[in-house]
Amino acid sequence: DGGITQSPKYLFRKEGQNVTLSCEQNLNHDAMYWYRQDPGQGLRLIYYSQIVNDFQKGDIAEGYSVSREKKESFPLTVTSAQKNPTAFYLCASSSLAGSGDTQYFGPGTRLTVL
Amino acid sequence: DAKTTQPPSMDCAEGRAANLPCNHSTISGNEYVYWYRQIHSQGPQYIIHGLKNNETNEMASLIITEDRKSSTLILPHATLRDTAVYYCIVRPPRGGAQKLVFGQGTRLTINP
Repeated sequence: DGGITQSPKYLFRKEGQNVTLSCEQNLNHDAMYWYRQDPGQGLRLIYYSQIVNDFQKGDIAEGYSVSREKKESFPLTVTSAQKNPTAFYLCASSSLAGSGDTQYFGPGTRLTVL
Repeated sequence: DAKTTQPPSMDCAEGRAANLPCNHSTISGNEYVYWYRQIHSQGPQYIIHGLKNNETNEMASLIITEDRKSSTLILPHATLRDTAVYYCIVRPPRGGAQKLVFGQGTRLTINP
């Protein structure tokens, strides 16, 4: 079954702790993205990666870090430096070849800082 | 910095066609129109996209005006499961990874 998986679905973190959100895709997509969504708001881009071992900052990268060691995986770490981390986090992926560059999204991880 | 304008909410009766409008008057000649929807607490779901011609797939139809300044997403036979926020997005053609700019979208409610 092809698609994008994110885990966990819900995550609770104590203030001051780092936490890592998982994103895996088996679509053989080149590019992967992390977005953040706050209640009633649109999506904001945190980081994206077009190729293994390379990634770029999006509009709101401060307090976040990523890695891209494998094509299939793009984990996001929310560090203690992120001042307001409670949000809905969405991972997406897209192909960069041919005509198929549509971004497809995972189910999301809802992070709550206690 | 969304480049589209959509009505904040719409209602439609179950079984009827839902027509969702989108204005994108500043669209450039090579920019695509994409539609996504987001059901509460889920990730956005891709619906359809187009450049100039009308498009149809198993989910919906996309009608783009000749001047490309507006478009309409049509759900031909709406069901209760189509209740969601629908986003119209304008984006440049392929050229590396690109961020999607989601505006406020249209909250579509399908009524029984």
